[in-house]
Amino acid sequence: NAGVMQNPRHLVRRRGQEARLRCSPMKGHSHVYWYRQLPEEGLKFMVYLQKENIIDESGMPKERFSAEFPKEGPSILRIQQVVRGDSAAYFCASSPDRALWDEQYFGPGTRLTVT
Amino acid sequence: AQSVTQLGSHVSVSEGALVLLRCNYSSSVPPYLFWYVQYPNQGLQLLLKYTSAATLVKGINGFEAEFKKSETSFHLTKPSAHMSDAAEYFCAVSGSGDMRFGAGTRLTVKP
Repeated sequence: NAGVMQNPRHLVRRRGQEARLRCSPMKGHSHVYWYRQLPEEGLKFMVYLQKENIIDESGMPKERFSAEFPKEGPSILRIQQVVRGDSAAYFCASSPDRALWDEQYFGPGTRLTVT
Repeated sequence: AQSVTQLGSHVSVSEGALVLLRCNYSSSVPPYLFWYVQYPNQGLQLLLKYTSAATLVKGINGFEAEFKKSETSFHLTKPSAHMSDAAEYFCAVSGSGDMRFGAGTRLTVKP
């Protein structure tokens, strides 16, 4: 059973460009979470999605950031008009259910560098 | 709302010494608590989790953690550190909503 897949692993964008980060959850998992990790900081929750629904986006910046989890295909985190402050590692996690005791399974992350 | 605080952003121990990583939680409902480990350039891996079945939880790689309600703590311990334990460790809580992570503790193991 393949784990959570994220691609690309590394992404370099110039200021003003768009970044698209992809996440394929583990097989059988219908809950996806996105986190951002800045250097020397912990994980910050961004958004929680189920298929075709955004359940909680309380951690998402109000502008330029969006996420989706379509019926078919991976979950996408999209950052428009990137700025240097967006440089970070972005992690996706999935779980089979949203039971509070369910651990989340993490992907290897996408490291975004904005030049 | 729930949150966790990890005391000490960096901990350094000698190989063979006791590892103690501290985590205190805040939750308005009975919490579920987790410890994850992150090796360089990798995602997080679950070490162990507390789901109210037993207060002393044993995890992988010889780690264990004890849930102490009176102290609102869930400290991670390992009797004898190994060089391969060098990594970043995150405490997390899930209680009334999504999982929330602490800022992490970077463990260094000296030979």
